[in-house]
Amino acid sequence: DQQVKQNSPSLSVQEGRISILNCDYTNSMFDYFLWYKKYPAEGPTFLISISSIKDKNEDGRFTVFLNKSAKHLSLHIVPSQPGDSAVYFCAASRLQGAQKLVFGQGTRLTINP
Amino acid sequence: DTGVSQDPRHKITKRGQNVTFRCDPISEHNRLYWYRQTLGQGPEFLTYFQNEAQLEKSRLLSDRFSAERPKGSFSTLEIQRTEQGDSAMYLCASSLTYRLAGGTGELFFGEGSRLTVL
Repeated sequence: DQQVKQNSPSLSVQEGRISILNCDYTNSMFDYFLWYKKYPAEGPTFLISISSIKDKNEDGRFTVFLNKSAKHLSLHIVPSQPGDSAVYFCAASRLQGAQKLVFGQGTRLTINP
Repeated sequence: DTGVSQDPRHKITKRGQNVTFRCDPISEHNRLYWYRQTLGQGPEFLTYFQNEAQLEKSRLLSDRFSAERPKGSFSTLEIQRTEQGDSAMYLCASSLTYRLAGGTGELFFGEGSRLTVL
C-alpha cells in the first residue's frame, strides 16, 4: 500500500529551465508535506515543506504547491542549476502523533548544461 | 558539526553475524527515528523514540532487530543473525515535536550506515 507516490523515476531538464517534480498521496490524514534531496551515499537533506493549511510555499528557487482536493503536490525549481542534479523524495506526515514521514520512491533529476 | 551523525558509515558482514549501528542526534532534539532504504526505494520507517521511550515499531522490524535510546540521547540499532535481505542503508533522523519546533515537522537525517551482508 503505497501511500505516497512519485510516478516519474527520472526527469531530465536543461540548465536554466524549470524543473517540475510531482507527487501524489492517498491518505487524507496527512497534514504536512516535505521535499528532500539526496545525493549518492548521503542521507536525505530537507529542502522545503508545506502545511495542509497552505497551497503554496516558496523559498528562493524552490516552490512547493499543494492541491488537497487532488491529493497532489509538486516542487518547482527555477532556474534549474547543475547542482540540482540529485534524487528528490516527496514525503508526508501527520503532525499530531509520531510525525513519521512516509516517503515516495523518488525522482532522479538530471540538469543538463 | 551539530548535525545527526551515524557510525559506522559502511559495514560489511557475513550472514549470521550481529551488527550494531549508532546514531547521535542533534542535541536538543527529543525525537529520534530509524529508517531503512533499499536501492530504488524511498526510506521506510522502522521505529522512533521520544526521549528514551520507544513509542512505535514498524512491522518491518523483525525480532532480529532491536533499538535502544537508553538516556534519551544517542541510539543504537542492532541486527542479530544478519541475512542478505538486511543489506540496505540504515538512516537515523532526529526532530523536535512539532509544537516545540514552532509548528513544523522536518526530520533531520544523518548520512546513513550502509550494511552489506555477504
